Amino acid sequence: SQTIHQWPATLVQPVGSPLSLECTVEGTSNPNLYWYRQAAGRGLQLLFYSVGIGQISSEVPQNLSASRPQDRQFILSSKKLLLSDSGFYLCAWSVRGQTNTGELFFGEGSRLTVL
Amino acid sequence: ILNVEQSPQSLHVQEGDSTNFTCSFPSSNFYALHWYRWETAKSPEALFVMTLNGDEKKKGRISATLNTKEGYSYLYIKGSQPEDSATYLCASPGYQKVTFGIGTKLQVIP
Repeated sequence: SQTIHQWPATLVQPVGSPLSLECTVEGTSNPNLYWYRQAAGRGLQLLFYSVGIGQISSEVPQNLSASRPQDRQFILSSKKLLLSDSGFYLCAWSVRGQTNTGELFFGEGSRLTVL
Repeated sequence: ILNVEQSPQSLHVQEGDSTNFTCSFPSSNFYALHWYRWETAKSPEALFVMTLNGDEKKKGRISATLNTKEGYSYLYIKGSQPEDSATYLCASPGYQKVTFGIGTKLQVIP
């Protein structure tokens, strides 16, 4: 069966510090991968998506970047965090070939607080 | 409609009451409509994936309908229970990406 894991689950970081959130998927190949963020009082905002290794699409200009160094690994990074980066980050995957219809499967989430 | 919109944003119902909420989405270039349930301290999980106009899907006491021509979907919960308390998200997949509504936060009062 397929599983998705992301870590860390919780982190508190000072403004200006770097960030790395990691997500891995097991039990499937060539997944579509996504990073979403839920800021306080808001819905799920799509940050990045990837349809293959090294292929990253960014939805919103911001202080974050994403990378996909391996087929089932998706990393969210920042060189210098801002207060506005605080939020709940979710990684998700969907089946390749079902990009336009298939459901998303989400990781456990990472709560980031920037102080 | 340019974005996925949900209403109401929050809802309180008594245990045993039936309830429903709405998702509106762009009707052009429609691919599918997803409903997810997001319980506190858990990850969102898919309830329904709907693709055809007129689709009706049911899972236990929860059902959903889809109108792709006018761009809306309804989610119904019959006889609400405290365990139904969650945020219900709808999402509209586009080319290579999935856009979510803000969600409807349902609180069922025992």
